[in-house]
Amino acid sequence: EVQLVQSGAEVRKPGESLNISCKASGYNFNTYWIGWVRQMPGKGLEWMGVIDPDDSDTRYSPSFEGQVTISADKSISTVFLQWSSLKASDTAIYYCARQDAIIVEPLANWFDPWGQGTLVTVSS
Amino acid sequence: DIQMTQSPPSLSASVGDRVTITCRASQTIRSYLNWYQQKPGTAPQLLIYAASSLQRGVPSRFSGSGSGTDFTLTISNLQPEDFATYYCQQSYSVPRAFGQGTKVEIK
Repeated sequence: EVQLVQSGAEVRKPGESLNISCKASGYNFNTYWIGWVRQMPGKGLEWMGVIDPDDSDTRYSPSFEGQVTISADKSISTVFLQWSSLKASDTAIYYCARQDAIIVEPLANWFDPWGQGTLVTVSS
Repeated sequence: DIQMTQSPPSLSASVGDRVTITCRASQTIRSYLNWYQQKPGTAPQLLIYAASSLQRGVPSRFSGSGSGTDFTLTISNLQPEDFATYYCQQSYSVPRAFGQGTKVEIK
C-alpha cells in the first residue's frame, strides 16, 4: 500500500526555524515527484511546490519561493519542508502528496495519495 | 500564473439531487484538470484526473467534463457521504493552482 506519513504537530515562536517531514512507503520513492500543499485555518488549498526525489529538482510556486525549502533524502524515503524564520502567517496545516501522472502525457499529473497533514502553529 | 475560479462557493442540496460544480481557468489548460474532495479534518482525496478520468475506487456517480478553460464536476444521486468541499486543480503549468473550493452542504 502506498502511504505518506507526516511528522506530528508543531508549535513554534515567530523567528524560529522548523523542519517537517513526509515519509513515503509502498513504492519506489525515486520514481514519483512529491509536493506540498498549504491550508490556512478555514481556507482553501494552496500549491507550494514539488520535488523529484531522484535528483532533488524542485519547482516552487512564486508565492512560496524563498519562504520555504523543499528537500529530499533518498536514503530514508523522506521529503522535508523547512522554514528558517517562521511568521505567524505560516500557521496552517501542511499536506504532502505524491504526484502521479500519465507516463506518456506528463502534464496530466495529480496528487494521490496525500499524507495526513501536519499542523504548524506559530505564536508568541 | 493560471488562476482557477470555482462556482458556486457553496451550495445546499438534498440526498438524491444532481449537483454540478464549475471551474474556470484564466487561460487554456487543455484537459489538465483534477478534482478533489475534502471532508472536515481530513486530507483531500482525488476524485477525477485529466478532466474526466475517474480515480479507482471512486463511485461512478462522480463525473467530470470539459476542456480548454471550462470544466464541470457532476455528482448524480447525491449521497450523505458526499457532503464535503470540492476543489479543482490545474496541472498544465507551475504553479499548479487549486480553485478556492465549493462547499456542498445539506439542505
